[in-house]
Amino acid sequence: GQNIDQPTEMTATEGAIVQINCTYQTSGFNGLFWYQQHAGEAPTFLSYNVLDGLEEKGRFSSFLSRSKGYSYLLLKELQMKDSASYLCGTMDSNYQLIWGAGTKLIIKP
Amino acid sequence: GAVVSQHPSRVICKSGTSVKIECRSLDFQATTMFWYRQFPKQSLMLMATSNEGSKATYEQGVEKDKFLINHASLTLSTLTVTSAHPEDSSFYICSATTGHNSYEQYFGPGTRLTVT
Repeated sequence: GQNIDQPTEMTATEGAIVQINCTYQTSGFNGLFWYQQHAGEAPTFLSYNVLDGLEEKGRFSSFLSRSKGYSYLLLKELQMKDSASYLCGTMDSNYQLIWGAGTKLIIKP
Repeated sequence: GAVVSQHPSRVICKSGTSVKIECRSLDFQATTMFWYRQFPKQSLMLMATSNEGSKATYEQGVEKDKFLINHASLTLSTLTVTSAHPEDSSFYICSATTGHNSYEQYFGPGTRLTVT
């Protein structure tokens, strides 16, 4: 079957670093996505990984290990506006996105 | 960048009526559009995949006769919730891609449907 797991909720402090993990099992693999979603809004694209390794984009980095079915999103220098849900999703062999349940990130001052 | 719009952004309707939600790609041709539903504090749930000029592919458990999808052009897909009931109240979001080689889905802003 197809399954994506990520923690339900995480709490971090402003200015700190947080890592959100995602493990997946899918039939075929055409990449892994991270999206940010603020309450009541549509998701916004953060990153896409299809090869193993770390992709860095400013304060956000995403890592992928295909052999382990594992990814993480790393957020540095946390700001209050980073409080949101972070959705991990994989694209299967039919190019369909399978979503995890999302991780609600709470930033405290 | 690619922009997707949805209309209306919010709609309140009475139980038993039908509601149509439009999803438009404003500056690109969307060969594939996706319709999602999201209940409070839950993740996106894919309802159907819509390819221009062909019938939509519905996910298991989604009633095709209740959620009518029309993808008549490369820039417009519509979702009609027929005979809406209070349990259909949700946040409906569409997204679009330019094709299989485009990995990114461009999301619309969503439509908040409330059925009274």
